[in-house]
Amino acid sequence: NAGVTQTPKFQVLKTGQSMTLQCAQDMNHNSMYWYRQDPGMGLRLIYYSASEGTTDKGEVPNGYNVSRLNKREFSLRLESAAPSQTSVYFCASGRDRGREQYFGPGTRLTVT
Amino acid sequence: DAKTTQPNSMESNEEEPVHLPCNHSTISGTDYIHWYRQLPSQGPEYVIHGLTSNVNNRMASLAIAEDRKSSTLILHRATLRDAAVYYCILRDVKYPGYSTLTFGKGTMLLVSP
Repeated sequence: NAGVTQTPKFQVLKTGQSMTLQCAQDMNHNSMYWYRQDPGMGLRLIYYSASEGTTDKGEVPNGYNVSRLNKREFSLRLESAAPSQTSVYFCASGRDRGREQYFGPGTRLTVT
Repeated sequence: DAKTTQPNSMESNEEEPVHLPCNHSTISGTDYIHWYRQLPSQGPEYVIHGLTSNVNNRMASLAIAEDRKSSTLILHRATLRDAAVYYCILRDVKYPGYSTLTFGKGTMLLVSP
């Protein structure tokens, strides 16, 4: 039982490049989330998916797209990376009804 | 989500109890109080949550004031592995399946041997 896994762990991009961050969970959770965390700050919600086939914007969605591929997988895409997107990205999953969320180990992204 | 206020940092000695306070004066009747912690270079980890009554689990205890305007996370015997940033979050469950977490800056707990 791996919980929430994220790939890659580290990535360096040049401005304008694109990439997809992958997230998978094996806990059969309906809800999945993408957050970003900038240095010294709390996490901010980018996008979330309450169930397979649905996605909704969070607090900071600009510059990102998401895909809920199936119940297990939720990917985050940066179409044209910018230095302001340098951050640590966390994926999480959770059951319904406001129960606890389980977080992955994070992807450290640097955009130069 | 309603707002919470926490001290920026606290210090403790190993094997002593730690009381981490959180103020949430604008809490509504349907807000659950959640606590998460984030160890260095890791993702946040769920600690405990409650609505009105005090709660205990294997990690910690949560004491909720009678008027629910404040709460305290209690670590009964701090260890070096408890050094982390602790987040107090109000989660509105009026919208099942829609609830999200809004993280503040949290309290950085430093534990000395």
